[in-house]
Amino acid sequence: DGGITQSPKYLFRKEGQNVTLSCEQNLNHDAMYWYRQDPGQGLRLIYYSQIVNDFQKGDIAEGYSVSREKKESFPLTVTSAQKNPTAFYLCASRWGQGPYEQYFGPGTRLTVT
Amino acid sequence: RKEVEQDPGPFNVPEGATVAFNCTYSNSASQSFFWYRQDCRKEPKLLMSVYSSGNEDGRFTAQLNRASQYISLLIRDSKLSDSATYLCVVTDLYNFNKFYFGSGTKLNVKP
Repeated sequence: DGGITQSPKYLFRKEGQNVTLSCEQNLNHDAMYWYRQDPGQGLRLIYYSQIVNDFQKGDIAEGYSVSREKKESFPLTVTSAQKNPTAFYLCASRWGQGPYEQYFGPGTRLTVT
Repeated sequence: RKEVEQDPGPFNVPEGATVAFNCTYSNSASQSFFWYRQDCRKEPKLLMSVYSSGNEDGRFTAQLNRASQYISLLIRDSKLSDSATYLCVVTDLYNFNKFYFGSGTKLNVKP
């Protein structure tokens, strides 16, 4: 069954702790993305990766880090430097180099207190 | 100015009604256009791509007006299951990795 998986679904952390969100896809998609969604707002791009071992900052990369060591995996670390980390985090992937649609994983809801 | 703007709604309509959403985008060089559907606390799911000539998928019709820089989504014969938030998405011409998402239009279909 092809798709994108994210884990965990819900995550609770104390302020000051780093946390890593998992994203795996078995669609053989080249590009992968991380977005953040806050209530009543559109999705905002955190990081994206077009190929293995390469990634680019999106619009709100401060306080986040990523890696892309395998085509299938694109984990996101939310560091203690991120001022407002509580949000819904969505991972997406896309095939090819052109303007093709993105497909999303089920998301991770992170709460930091 | 936001890249993509949508009326947040909510649009409250009875079952069987026809409802239309519009979305405007600011970058005339935008390349690709999509409508996604997002249920409460779930991920967005692709509803349909929007082509220059307009396209239809069952009860859903999408149209693009490049001159006025807006796209529309028409839903005919609304079902209770159509209740969701509809996101308008536009890509950048020069960077296909940049997808601009509207904040969404909420639709409530009532019995």
